[in-house]
Amino acid sequence: DAGVTQSPTHLIKTRGQQVTLRCSPKSGHDTVSWYQQALGQGPQFIFQYYEEEERQRGNFPDRFSGHQFPNYSSELNVNALLLGDSALYLCASSTGTEAFFGQGTRLTVV
Amino acid sequence: AQSVTQPDIHITVSEGASLELRCNYSYGATPYLFWYVQSPGQGLQLLLKYFSGDTLVQGIKGFEAEFKRSQSSFNLRKPSVHWSDAAEYFCAVGGPRQGNLIFGKGTKLSVKP
Repeated sequence: DAGVTQSPTHLIKTRGQQVTLRCSPKSGHDTVSWYQQALGQGPQFIFQYYEEEERQRGNFPDRFSGHQFPNYSSELNVNALLLGDSALYLCASSTGTEAFFGQGTRLTVV
Repeated sequence: AQSVTQPDIHITVSEGASLELRCNYSYGATPYLFWYVQSPGQGLQLLLKYFSGDTLVQGIKGFEAEFKRSQSSFNLRKPSVHWSDAAEYFCAVGGPRQGNLIFGKGTKLSVKP
């Protein structure tokens, strides 16, 4: 079992650009959540997808959007990037009993 | 408001010494409580979780935590720390589907030889 895999591991973008991050959940997991972890902070919940729909959303602007595919994999899209969007983006998958986290994508906005 | 407070930003202990990391939470419903560990540049690994029942829970790597409802606390303990335990530790609270986890700001643990 590969666990939760995220791609890419690192990327650098310029202010104003758009970015897409990808997540493949652990086998058998139908729920995917995304978190933003700024340097020196704890992860903050962005949103959760279940059955291809956004089920919960944290306090993030509409520039942050997502998608879940029929195979349960998920994408996080961020538009009009700001310097403050630089962070580690973590994906977690679960079935309801335990959340497993991926290694994250380190996004740097310059 | 729902929140998690980890009062200690950085703790240094000697190898072999005991460890206690503090966590206090505020949550409107019955809390589901978790401790995660994160090594530099890595994702989060679940150490242990509390849903209900026995308030002392055992986790991986020799860690345990005690849930005290009256104090809204869920402190993490280990009787003898190993150098490999050096990492950042996060306490989190959430609901049953563990989607919207609320994390503390973390406690960085350093281990002296």
